Amino acid sequence: EIHMTQSPSSLSASIGDRVTITCRASQYISTFLNWHQWKPGKAPKALIYTASDLYDGVPSRFSGSGSGTDFTLTISGLQPEDFATYYCQQSYSVPHTFGQGTKLEIK
Amino acid sequence: EVQVLESGGGLVQPGGSLRLSCAASGFTFSSFAMTWVRQAPGKGLEWVSSINMGGDNTYNADSVKGRFTISRDNSKNTVYLQMNSLRAEDTAVYYCAKLGGARPYWGQGTLVTVSS
Repeated sequence: EIHMTQSPSSLSASIGDRVTITCRASQYISTFLNWHQWKPGKAPKALIYTASDLYDGVPSRFSGSGSGTDFTLTISGLQPEDFATYYCQQSYSVPHTFGQGTKLEIK
Repeated sequence: EVQVLESGGGLVQPGGSLRLSCAASGFTFSSFAMTWVRQAPGKGLEWVSSINMGGDNTYNADSVKGRFTISRDNSKNTVYLQMNSLRAEDTAVYYCAKLGGARPYWGQGTLVTVSS
């Protein structure tokens, strides 16, 4: 089973800031890495798949990069609706494990 | 259009059982692993169970091992989660998801409440 580690576990930022969340896999996963956004009371929402491809309807301020074992999610120009918890998830091998999440809060 | 639709949630007493279903459409169901993820009140997402495309390999979180069983029927494009010996801490919204392949897809979730 592949273990995913995210950092930081929480992050405070202001509207308009640029933030970066990192995710590390315990073994090589090529670019089989997805990012998801979750808000309380709502279903998770896929943001980015295969490390850098933006899901339909996701604003271009979201971007992803990385390959192998190290990945990043960047949000450029934070908007109020971006304050949520973000999870990375590997799709390289079953079970498709998640990172522990990064809670993005308003400063 | 891809659709993932969970059903079967509800109120159950501690020690009871419940079977969740997840019907999928819009993709070649038999070619992808499927996963159940849950979100308990006040907590984040927790991976619960996964099953490979053929259904012959299953994986469960330690918190549900020995109590929950994931299975699938590729002829019906449906994945199931049989939940036995339910506990109060299993109270959560349960989401079904296709997390492998090029694009992930999530269902809208079904609420399971374990209470007397």
